[in-house]
Amino acid sequence: EPEVTQTPSHQVTQMGQEVILRCVPISNHLYFYWYRQILGQKVEFLVSFYNNEISEKSEIFDDQFSVERPDGSNFTLKIRSTKLEDSAMYFCASSLDGGGETQYFGPGTRLLVL
Amino acid sequence: GQNIDQPTEMTATEGAIVQINCTYQTSGFNGLFWYQQHAGEAPTFLSYNVLDGLEEKGRFSSFLSRSKGYSYLLLKELQMKDSASYLCAVCTGGGNKLTFGTGTQLKVEL
Repeated sequence: EPEVTQTPSHQVTQMGQEVILRCVPISNHLYFYWYRQILGQKVEFLVSFYNNEISEKSEIFDDQFSVERPDGSNFTLKIRSTKLEDSAMYFCASSLDGGGETQYFGPGTRLLVL
Repeated sequence: GQNIDQPTEMTATEGAIVQINCTYQTSGFNGLFWYQQHAGEAPTFLSYNVLDGLEEKGRFSSFLSRSKGYSYLLLKELQMKDSASYLCAVCTGGGNKLTFGTGTQLKVEL
């Protein structure tokens, strides 16, 4: 069964450094998403992406964040200058289409900012 | 804004039935999802409701009342492996955004 994959599974970085989190969505899916989950808290929406542009973003997704689909398979989240409070599990998800289609989540990247 | 409420934790016995409730207030509605999440893992899809009524899928059923802003997830014949967090999430907007509740931590005991 097709799955969303993410790399790396864990990332440790120093405050102020840039990180890029990578995702390979399910191959025939058209919508891509990033969510994050701070330890012990709820899953929070960051951004949705369709047709090579951002469809919607949350207040969390400020100028420090960017997303890109550099080729036909990868979908990346870049954090330009990491802060301590960016430490969280970051989940990529994809769906076949919009309008309430089921979103399938990748295994996540655990980011720790020191 | 969006507001989703569900109980923080529940305990049930193996073999029993448990109902996890979720109430929501959102602007826009593209459907309501239930996900299961084991500690340290990704949410996995359980069920989806967009119309009022009951959706059944094996041991899991989910109900929706849009007028009441209410849903529940029903788990039958509970197994130890069902111990997990159950997340209620409402889909809204053209961006297909999911807004999650805090999750209900279910503990299944012998």
